[in-house]
Amino acid sequence: DTGVSQDPRHKITKRGQNVTFRCDPISEHNRLYWYRQTLGQGPEFLTYFQNEAQLEKSRLLSDRFSAERPKGSFSTLEIQRTEQGDSAMYLCASSKADTQYFGPGTRLTVL
Amino acid sequence: GENVEQHPSTLSVQEGDSAVIKCTYSDSASNYFPWYKQELGKGPQLIIDIRSNVGEKKDQRIAVTLNKTAKHFSLHITETQPEDSAVYFCAASWGAQKLVFGQGTRLTINP
Repeated sequence: DTGVSQDPRHKITKRGQNVTFRCDPISEHNRLYWYRQTLGQGPEFLTYFQNEAQLEKSRLLSDRFSAERPKGSFSTLEIQRTEQGDSAMYLCASSKADTQYFGPGTRLTVL
Repeated sequence: GENVEQHPSTLSVQEGDSAVIKCTYSDSASNYFPWYKQELGKGPQLIIDIRSNVGEKKDQRIAVTLNKTAKHFSLHITETQPEDSAVYFCAASWGAQKLVFGQGTRLTINP
């Protein structure tokens, strides 16, 4: 296993711009999760896929956020019209059972 | 929904001593309890986990105990080393559902 990978690792954008992040899970992991982590806090759940089906979305996921996993492999998380409050580390995890393995994260800074 | 409380928020121990971090959870349906170690700028790394059918699990210098009746679980690190310095998070979930994390403990090992 090569582990969960995320791209980009860092993103700096201006308020109002759209950004998209990608997550590649561990191969054969059918579950993929997105979390958000702000400084000094634990990760907070955003959304979860089993294969290509999005099974749960947090109330944290406003309508400016959208996530997809079109072929049940990689996933993208898009944030439209970014706000300064969106600045955080966006973490992706994958699993084939209950154990979740995390990627390195994408750090988003909104100026 | 589930709520996880973690204590202490910071912990400083002498190299070679033991460290203990405690968590409580609110949802009696939770049955999976992982612990993650996070270093600066990196994603959380799974270090040990325990399921509700087991009361204790050990892996070399790391052990976790679970008290289902009291709804709390603890991480024990023995013979601490400088490389154990990091932020540690406990979490709880039901099956392969979302993880709910504690607030984290910053562990510092003093040489």
